[in-house]
Amino acid sequence: GENVEQHPSTLSVQEGDSAVIKCTYSDSASNYFPWYKQELGKGPQLIIDIRSNVGEKKDQRIAVTLNKTAKHFSLHITETQPEDSAVYFCAASIAGGYQKVTFGTGTKLQVIP
Amino acid sequence: NAGVTQTPKFQVLKTGQSMTLQCAQDMNHEYMSWYRQDPGMGLRLIHYSVGAGITDQGEVPNGYNVSRSTTEDFPLRLLSAAPSQTSVYFCASSYSPLGDFDYGYTFGSGTRLTVV
Repeated sequence: GENVEQHPSTLSVQEGDSAVIKCTYSDSASNYFPWYKQELGKGPQLIIDIRSNVGEKKDQRIAVTLNKTAKHFSLHITETQPEDSAVYFCAASIAGGYQKVTFGTGTKLQVIP
Repeated sequence: NAGVTQTPKFQVLKTGQSMTLQCAQDMNHEYMSWYRQDPGMGLRLIHYSVGAGITDQGEVPNGYNVSRSTTEDFPLRLLSAAPSQTSVYFCASSYSPLGDFDYGYTFGSGTRLTVV
């Protein structure tokens, strides 16, 4: 089955710096890659996603890149703010295969004011 | 628009007790699922449903039952609680189009369950 590895497990950055979280996946059939942000005491919230026919996607300060050949995708947060502090999860799935959604183990991001 | 509502938020059970975790969504999503979240293990799928009357097992189904009598509700039943079921449980739903791509999930706020 699919295996998603996420690094690093914890990340501390100064406010205003950039943060990068990386994920690798094993199943070349995976073609949908969402990222979720989980604030303390809350459920994960979808913040951005990318499909396999696209190499990069941006939404304000957040961007995701996908390298299908190398089977890895990354989340980039620029100009970090204290409210970006949270746990971030990547996931990989196969279109139409709901039971095949596999999550990474999460990255705890701390933005230091 | 409430999204996905989970109740209760917190629960303490004794070993061997049974209980039902409630999940309701008001977005007319066909797909609903239950995950458990444990430290260092990410989110693991327990059961899922692709529509009313249809359910299937996920990665860690043992000790749990589900049913889907309506589009809106997807309760999770713990049959005989064990300490290993101490976890945070999340219900999630998703739009289920007939197209080629998955869509993201909308998660509830979670139920923190402790089994003593």
